[in-house]
Amino acid sequence: SYELTQPPSVSVSPRQTARITCSADVLPKQYTNWYQQKPGQAPVIVIYKDNERPSGIPERFSGSSSGTTVTLTISGVQAEDEADYYCQSADTSGLVVFGGGTKLTVL
Amino acid sequence: QLHLQESGPGLVRPSATLSLTCTVSGGSISNSPYYWNWIRQPPGKGLEWIGSIYYSGSTSYNPSLKGRATISVDTSKNQFSLQLQSVTAADAAVYYCAKAAYGNYLLYYFYMDVWGKGTTVPVSS
Repeated sequence: SYELTQPPSVSVSPRQTARITCSADVLPKQYTNWYQQKPGQAPVIVIYKDNERPSGIPERFSGSSSGTTVTLTISGVQAEDEADYYCQSADTSGLVVFGGGTKLTVL
Repeated sequence: QLHLQESGPGLVRPSATLSLTCTVSGGSISNSPYYWNWIRQPPGKGLEWIGSIYYSGSTSYNPSLKGRATISVDTSKNQFSLQLQSVTAADAAVYYCAKAAYGNYLLYYFYMDVWGKGTTVPVSS
């Protein structure tokens, strides 16, 4: 098993770019996914396999990976993007792990 | 379109066993190349993966639960279930079921693309 570390909070002004990082503590890193969760709602996947975007997710959401760190980037942040964001990965033995979550605040 | 719905008791007593069921509609669990998962979220806290099951019955669990969780599948009812033994106040949470796609393409991937709305489970005497 391993851990994924996220910053507890990120703040950004509308129309600016938000970047949320997720660092794995072991190698090899497997694919990482990102979920958006708004208050009182179930999580919604916004990025899977590091950088793929599901249908229906706005193009302003993108993902990237470098070494053991993956980054969720939201370009041109909108007020509706204010939410908690969780990264998630799994190892080849089938164990699944979530990061601690990052609260994105749109100022 | 696949839809997942959690169901279970509104309240669980301390030391009792929590039992939840996830009913899948709009698709069949049988012979589907997906994992079926339980995830929980205590009030004000983050997401915690509990475990997953394949339609064949193969399971994986979060080691932090120390063997208290059991996930089973009933393909005839298109449902999968969670039992959590010896619950305490720390097990009070919103419990979600979710379907996960998985595979190997250069690296291993496992992502949850369909979620239920969640069910709140308080623990109290």
